[in-house]
Amino acid sequence: EADIYQTPRYLVIGTGKKITLECSQTMGHDKMYWYQQDPGMELHLIHYSYGVNSTEKGDLSSESTVSRIRTEHFPLTLESARPSHTSQYLCASSGFFKEQYFGPGTRLTVT
Amino acid sequence: KQEVTQIPAALSVPEGENLVLNCSFTDSAIYNLQWFRQDPGKGLTSLLLIQSSQREQTSGRLNASLDKSSGRSTLYIAASQPGDSATYLCAVKLKTSYDKVIFGPGTSLSVIP
Repeated sequence: EADIYQTPRYLVIGTGKKITLECSQTMGHDKMYWYQQDPGMELHLIHYSYGVNSTEKGDLSSESTVSRIRTEHFPLTLESARPSHTSQYLCASSGFFKEQYFGPGTRLTVT
Repeated sequence: KQEVTQIPAALSVPEGENLVLNCSFTDSAIYNLQWFRQDPGKGLTSLLLIQSSQREQTSGRLNASLDKSSGRSTLYIAASQPGDSATYLCAVKLKTSYDKVIFGPGTSLSVIP
């Protein structure tokens, strides 16, 4: 049973606001990931982490930033939201057998 | 560079049919291959994981095969049901330091009652 949580599930926010998308996993996984997915489109890796205090940018350039202060927590922050940030954001972690577990996603709309 | 493709892009079948979804990848140096299901606006649910040393995995009505040498995997769904309607994605995990995963574009399945 995968235990990976994302909050909020849905967020509508105005341009220029700072937002943080939360992701937590209770499986003790070292590796965690953030993907961005537009409706009907492919997933794109935007950030990943090997473990605590380790973060790297993914394949798709993103204006968001991440932090990994605790193993179980991998939040994503947008300092100044814009309509172009409207998308679904999916968090994942990688297990012992290197299988990926995904959270339910956060659907972000920036007006 | 690893590329993952899925055929068909969309599939519509009547309830009860058996069906096969195809996934191809260009580089056989993979760690594993995973099949996911995604419902509209939701996250991904893992269906089956096949390690590179394995040939197939089964879970209920689902059977996934892996042929690394030819760069192919198939997902077989037996006796399809309307609840199977979703997008199915395959993903290969590369042998990199951060376990990079490459996703296919997905097959959108619609099972008609």
